[in-house]
Amino acid sequence: GENVEQHPSTLSVQEGDSAVIKCTYSDSASNYFPWYKQELGKRPQLIIDIRSNVGEKKDQRIAVTLNKTAKHFSLHITETQPEDSAVYFCAASKAGNQFYFGTGTSLTVIP
Amino acid sequence: DTGVSQNPRHKITKRGQNVTFRCDPISEHNRLYWYRQTLGQGPEFLTYFQNEAQLEKSRLLSDRFSAERPKGSFSTLEIQRTEQGDSAMYLCASGQGAGAPLHFGNGTRLTVT
Repeated sequence: GENVEQHPSTLSVQEGDSAVIKCTYSDSASNYFPWYKQELGKRPQLIIDIRSNVGEKKDQRIAVTLNKTAKHFSLHITETQPEDSAVYFCAASKAGNQFYFGTGTSLTVIP
Repeated sequence: DTGVSQNPRHKITKRGQNVTFRCDPISEHNRLYWYRQTLGQGPEFLTYFQNEAQLEKSRLLSDRFSAERPKGSFSTLEIQRTEQGDSAMYLCASGQGAGAPLHFGNGTRLTVT
């Protein structure tokens, strides 16, 4: 099955700086890559996603890039704010089947 | 749209007991997924349904685990003869069709003593 690896496991940045989280996947047939944010004690919530026919997608301060050849995708958060502090999970899915999740990145934004 | 609802929020049980959790998906969503999450880990796939059909079940899933979605709406996840290693957050998610993003519930936290 698919194997999704996520790095780093923890990340601390100063408020206003950028944060980058990277994921790799093993199955070249995977074609949908969502990112979820999970605040402490709350449900994971979708923040952005990308499909394999697109190389980059942006939504305000959040962007995701996809490199199909290298089989990796990244989450970029610019102008970080304290409320961005949370655990972020990447995931990969193919042909509408199940989703495989990374192990998560705990992001701390220091005011 | 009230989102995905899971009950109960917390469950404490003794080892060896059976437990059952319920998930009510977003009403128009035909796909329903169960995941398990332990501290510091990402959600681990358990099983998923399209309408009432169970399409896939994790090979890692013990036969003590069973899930149903009898009418293609709500789903139940049962764990028989619980073990301490079953302690985790059990998350349900739903989606509208293949390849659609998942919408998660708040989860059921199981503690086996």
